[in-house]
Amino acid sequence: ETGVTQSPTHLIKTRGQQVTLRCSSQSGHNTVSWYQQALGQGPQFIFQYYREEENGRGNFPPRFSGLQFPNYSSELNVNALELDDSALYLCASSSTGVGYEQYFGPGTRLTVT
Amino acid sequence: AQTVTQSQPEMSVQEAETVTLSCTYDTSENNYYLFWYKQPPSRQMILVIRQEAYKQQNATENRFSVNFQKAAKSFSLKISDSQLGDTAMYFCAFMGYQGAQKLVFGQGTRLTINP
Repeated sequence: ETGVTQSPTHLIKTRGQQVTLRCSSQSGHNTVSWYQQALGQGPQFIFQYYREEENGRGNFPPRFSGLQFPNYSSELNVNALELDDSALYLCASSSTGVGYEQYFGPGTRLTVT
Repeated sequence: AQTVTQSQPEMSVQEAETVTLSCTYDTSENNYYLFWYKQPPSRQMILVIRQEAYKQQNATENRFSVNFQKAAKSFSLKISDSQLGDTAMYFCAFMGYQGAQKLVFGQGTRLTINP
């Protein structure tokens, strides 16, 4: 069974640029959630995808967008990067249903300069 | 909106000691799940233990157990016989039945186990 993988591991971008982060879900999982973890903080929910549709969104502006593909992998896109977007971005996959464990990937560390 | 509060930013104990991490939460829902996640220095978040709110019995997983007080909205984690490998950030998290199956995390407690 393959776990959740994310790419790239680290990324450095300039303010105003756009970035795409990728996530492969664990085998058998059809739901992917994205979280932003600022340094020294707990993760904050960005959005969730189920069967290629957005299934809920946290308090993040529209320049944060995502996709889920038929194989349940997912992308997180951030446009017009701001310095405050610097964070660890975590992807988590799960089965659908309340209470199911979310399995986290190792994260992508994004630095915006 | 749900909130989760962890009032202990850092804790440090000696190996083999017992340590308790505190967590309180706020919600208007009656049914929900509570979790403790561990994030070691390598960053990958791992589930430690899960509690269903409608179950009165406290969850246990080997050396890890919780004290779930629903009326007080309190959910503490006890680690018995602590080991060096328990050194990590620990996050308390809430998941409700309403809306997306999202985790609402606390700010975390940095736990250090000293040899």
